[in-house]
This record gives sequence, structure tokens and C-alpha cells, in this order.
Amino acid sequence: QVLLQESGPGLVKPSETLSLTCDVSDYSISDGYYWGWIRQPPGKGLEWIGSVYHSGRTYYTPSLRGRVTISVDTSKNLFYLNLTSVTAADTAVYYCSREFRYSTSRGNDFWGRGTLVTVSS
Amino acid sequence: EVVLTQSPGTLSLSPGERASLSCRASQDISSNYLAWYQQKPGQAPRLLLYGTSNRATGISDRISGSGSGTDFTLTIDRLEPEDSAVYSCQLYGSSPLWMFGQGTKVEVK
Repeated sequence: QVLLQESGPGLVKPSETLSLTCDVSDYSISDGYYWGWIRQPPGKGLEWIGSVYHSGRTYYTPSLRGRVTISVDTSKNLFYLNLTSVTAADTAVYYCSREFRYSTSRGNDFWGRGTLVTVSS
Repeated sequence: EVVLTQSPGTLSLSPGERASLSCRASQDISSNYLAWYQQKPGQAPRLLLYGTSNRATGISDRISGSGSGTDFTLTIDRLEPEDSAVYSCQLYGSSPLWMFGQGTKVEVK
């Protein structure tokens, strides 16, 4: 059982940077898989933000490219999300998750519990 | 960009009935890359099916998936009250890399 736990400020001011950490337990990020961030605005559907491989290669959703950075620290078994210039539209529950990408299947098999980030002054 | 459209928006059924949830893609997609999730209030999504029809670890055999091309279906047999949740389909594609449907809410009462 892979455990993921998000942490970071629950309140961020408009125009500032949202920074979250995902702590992975019972699995070494260096052993493989992709590691992603997904968010869910209140009462709305899921939105993929981006993913990172243990090598550091990143993938981002086009709508957030330029504002988002995802990075990984394999020595600490952590990965991170930074989202700059936030607005109220970035208010959401943010989830970190493990992605699998096999030749015949793709998906997210383990998820953190999520953390609510509110953008407000 | 592929768009996933789920229907119906809400499904209200009684215990013991069968639920059929639709996920329609705006263009042909690979069935290998279609997954389904269950999400209960205040909880993270839970992987149910991957590759259209493969059940994830620990998922009841009351849950099944089918489809190809643009039309995919999640079926839940013999509904139980604990099946009440929002169900979302997900596609691995090109841009964006991952896409979710807007979800179908299932109420069992």
C-alpha cells in the first residue's frame, strides 16, 4: 500500500505562489512510476495539473503552463507543486497521486487525501 | 483536444438495481487508456477500472466496464447504498495528457 500525503498552506493570497509538498511512503519514487497533481474546485470535476517522473521529466496541462512547476526530490521521497500568480479560480482541493503508464493501461492507482487551498486576501 | 462527456448527470436508483453510466469521447480513443473512478464526499477518488474493463485491486465484481471507439460504459450490478458516489471517467491522451469527464452522481436509496 503506497501512502501519499499532501501538505502546505491552506490559504494563499491572490497573485502569490501556491506551494504544496507530497510525501510518499512505503514506495520509493526512484523505483519508477509517474507522480502527479490533480485538483478539484469546490463542487466541480477533477482537473489534471501535471506529472513528474523520478528523472525529473515533467508534463503539464497546457492551461497552466507558464505558472506551474512540479519537481521531485528522490533523496527525501517527496515531490512538489508550485503554482504562481494564483487567483480565486485556483481555489480547489489539491491531490497528489501515483500514475501508472503501462503499454496497455494507464491510470492513477494511489491518491493522497487531498488538501484544500483557498485563494483569498 | 478530446472531450469526455458523461451521462446522465445524476442517477437515482434503488438497492438491488443496476446502474449504467456512460462516458462518451468526442473522437475515437484507445480503450487501453480509459479508466473509471469512484469518489465519495470528502474523499479522494478511488480507481475502479483501468483499460476500460480491468478491475483494480479489491474492486467488487459487481462493477464492470465495457466499450470501444467513442462509447464506454461503467455498470454496477445489485446496487448497494454504499455505491452512492460520483463516478468519473478518465482518458490518457495527448494534450492535455490526462482528461476527466465531469462525473455522474449515483444515489442509491
